[in-house]
Amino acid sequence: GDSVTQMEGPVTLSEEAFLTINCTYTATGYPSLFWYVQYPGEGLQLLLKATKADDKGSNKGFEATYRKETTSFHLEKGSVQVSDSAVYFCALSKGNTNAGKSTFGDGTTLTVKP
Amino acid sequence: DAGVIQSPRHEVTEMGQEVTLRCKPISGHNSLFWYRQTMMRGLELLIYFNNNVPIDDSGMPEDRFSAKMPNASFSTLKIQPSEPRDSAVYFCASSFRGLNTEAFFGQGTRLTVV
Repeated sequence: GDSVTQMEGPVTLSEEAFLTINCTYTATGYPSLFWYVQYPGEGLQLLLKATKADDKGSNKGFEATYRKETTSFHLEKGSVQVSDSAVYFCALSKGNTNAGKSTFGDGTTLTVKP
Repeated sequence: DAGVIQSPRHEVTEMGQEVTLRCKPISGHNSLFWYRQTMMRGLELLIYFNNNVPIDDSGMPEDRFSAKMPNASFSTLKIQPSEPRDSAVYFCASSFRGLNTEAFFGQGTRLTVV
């Protein structure tokens, strides 16, 4: 079946450091890929997405590129802030199949220190 | 739209009691998902519906758990009888089955069974 593997955490960085969180996937067909962010005490919310190979999703300084050849969707940010501290989930979905059910990775906890 | 609305936000109950969690999905969405999140097991998909019909309940941990979706704008997750190991944050999410499908999460219900 479909699966998503994320870099294990927790990840601790200093403010303004470069962030990479690795994500690889296994899926048949043509999934869409997503990064969700969960701030403390809240639900998951969409951070960015990409729907086809070579697409780049971006939002709030975060970026991820859909790489079909390496089945990857790594999350990057050039300069993290304390407010980026959260749990990040990589996910895939195949729209019309399985009622649009998403397959999530285990989540990576990011802590940014001043 | 107000987003996915869950109630209550917090629930504390005694072991053996019945607990009912409620969810109102985003209007127009035709898929609804119930998740459970704990530190030990992460984010688990319990059950999901498409057009109010349960599609897959293989994630429901035991017969003590049941979920219904009587119409497109309301769903419940019931635990009867509740046990301390059911303590977790329960999320409801909705999406529109189709291409580029992303899930929209509610803020969750934090359940504590004492």
